[in-house]
Amino acid sequence: EVQLVESGGGFVQPGGSLRLSCAASGFTFSTYVMSWVRQAPGKGLEWVSGISGGGSTHYADSVKGRFTISRDNSKETVYLHMNTLRAEDTAAYYCAKGKYEGSGQPDANWGQGTLVTVSS
Amino acid sequence: DIQMTQSPSTLSASVGDRVTITCRASQSINNWLAWYQQKPGKAPKLLIYKASSLESGVPSRFSGSGSGTEFTLTISSLQPDDFATYYCQQYSFDSRTFGQGTKVEIK
Repeated sequence: EVQLVESGGGFVQPGGSLRLSCAASGFTFSTYVMSWVRQAPGKGLEWVSGISGGGSTHYADSVKGRFTISRDNSKETVYLHMNTLRAEDTAAYYCAKGKYEGSGQPDANWGQGTLVTVSS
Repeated sequence: DIQMTQSPSTLSASVGDRVTITCRASQSINNWLAWYQQKPGKAPKLLIYKASSLESGVPSRFSGSGSGTEFTLTISSLQPDDFATYYCQQYSFDSRTFGQGTKVEIK
């Protein structure tokens, strides 16, 4: 059974940093695109970033230059390093897995989310 | 970046109604379109992918159609469990985009 478990969320001041983790199990982690999607309180879904099995990365314009996605295939974990955080980054952050191996897949499996609050 | 526009934003319907939600892309995405259902406090759930392919375990009352820039999600007979918010997502490019969501409410 596919499992995705996010951690690392919390309260941080504007300008601060945070690292989110997503521990995966139940599938061959290294061959799947992994993504981060966020949802601000009461708002819609926003794709944040994605990383291929080989390490190619992509970002939404809203986080480019501030966030970095990475993965450790040996630990079956994907990370989201978030720097220069702003109030508008406050959201539940979800980790998601592509439906099939390779690129160009919808997000078929999701974690339960971890909450990030940016406030002074 | 590709923009995805859903309509309507809110939809009031009764159990048994046929419901249609529309999603428009700002440029062609072929059929690289997914639909998700989300309930309050829960992660999204994949319903439809490649515009019209039903995800395993999803009831057959859900269907999707369209290609290029115009897509629809149809629920043939709305059930109590279907009251939720629905999102479209394009995944044709490495940078993905969601629509703003359609909340299906009880009439």
